[in-house]
Amino acid sequence: SQKIEQNSEALNIQEGKTATLTCNYTNYSPAYLQWYRQDPGRGPVFLLLIRENEKEKRKERLKVTFDTTLKQSLFHITASQPADSATYLCVLRHYKLIFGSGTRLLVRP
Amino acid sequence: SQTIHQWPATLVQPVGSPLSLECTVEGTSNPNLYWYRQAAGRGLQLLFYSVGIGQISSEVPQNLSASRPQDRQFILSSKKLLLSDSGFYLCAWSGRGPDEQFFGPGTRLTVL
Repeated sequence: SQKIEQNSEALNIQEGKTATLTCNYTNYSPAYLQWYRQDPGRGPVFLLLIRENEKEKRKERLKVTFDTTLKQSLFHITASQPADSATYLCVLRHYKLIFGSGTRLLVRP
Repeated sequence: SQTIHQWPATLVQPVGSPLSLECTVEGTSNPNLYWYRQAAGRGLQLLFYSVGIGQISSEVPQNLSASRPQDRQFILSSKKLLLSDSGFYLCAWSGRGPDEQFFGPGTRLTVL
């Protein structure tokens, strides 16, 4: 069955640096992949969607890449800020949405 | 604009008691509706989804049930709660295409 793997260890970086989060999936490539942000005790919030025929998608300080050969998506936050601290979820569709368990990002001031 | 409401925000219930969580969506028609559960440190697990009134699909066997009595109302229920039902319950809606999902604020359920 399709699985998503996100680093369970928190990513701790200094303010102003670029944060890079990794999402790996097994089996076949999905038609598209989404990234969400989740703050403690809150529901996830949609950030970006990238389709299988797109290599890269950008939105302000966010950038997502999708490599169907590596079966991997990378999520970048440039010029990171303490307010970017949250858990980031990778989501793909396999007749339903499958959520990764997320990677927690901590940006130190 | 669309909004999604869930209540209650927190709930503490004894084992064996019934459960009813409600979710309503405003500002959209005929949405797809979803119930998820998130255990601590785990990903979201899809419990139920609905593409229309009275149409419910269950993703995992459990002692929970869902109903959609109105287009924009989705209810999660249980006749007898188990300890393992504790978790963070999230309701979400989406459009008809492969769109992003919009989540409610969630309900933190603790079964004692």
